[in-house]
Amino acid sequence: KAGVTQTPRYLIKTRGQQVTLSCSPISGHRSVSWYQQTPGQGLQFLFEYFSETQRNKGNFPGRFSGRQFSNSRSEMNVSTLELGDSALYLCASSLSGQLYNEQFFGPGTRLTVL
Amino acid sequence: AQTVTQSQPEMSVQEAETVTLSCTYDTSESDYYLFWYKQPPSRQMILVIRQEAYKQQNATENRFSVNFQKAAKSFSLKISDSQLGDAAMYFCAYSDSNYQLIWGAGTKLIIKP
Repeated sequence: KAGVTQTPRYLIKTRGQQVTLSCSPISGHRSVSWYQQTPGQGLQFLFEYFSETQRNKGNFPGRFSGRQFSNSRSEMNVSTLELGDSALYLCASSLSGQLYNEQFFGPGTRLTVL
Repeated sequence: AQTVTQSQPEMSVQEAETVTLSCTYDTSESDYYLFWYKQPPSRQMILVIRQEAYKQQNATENRFSVNFQKAAKSFSLKISDSQLGDAAMYFCAYSDSNYQLIWGAGTKLIIKP
């Protein structure tokens, strides 16, 4: 079974631009979560989607948004990029997103904002 | 709000020896799970072990075991017979009914050959 894939793997953008990151979960997984990883703040939860519905959102500004498609693939968008948005963005999928489900992580997208 | 604390930014251990990584958490929930995830350098995050809060018995996965002290809200990871491949960042994480993982800051584990 193929693992979680994320595209692109690396991105360089400038301040003020917007960016869209993509995540394809493991086949059969219906829950997709997004996390931001930075040296200063560590791992922080962005949002979680299940069956195209956002069930929870972390404490991030409205510039961060996401969506999930009917095939469970998910995208996250960051508008009006700031230098502080430079981070590794991790996507994780699980069967149902229940608290006991193991989350399987993708390799991440490394975003650099100049 | 739930929090997870890992007080050891870095630990080192001699190959083949045992090391224990510490984690404490805070929650008012009664039903939750705790996890240890491993992130090797430039590689994907993978699950090492998980513990259900209502289970008294400590989880074990081969060389990895936990010491879960629910009353003390402590969840430490013991790695026995450390191997070079165990070198990684180790993250303690908490999950409850809110569909999110809350993470500790991580512990960098160095294995000395």
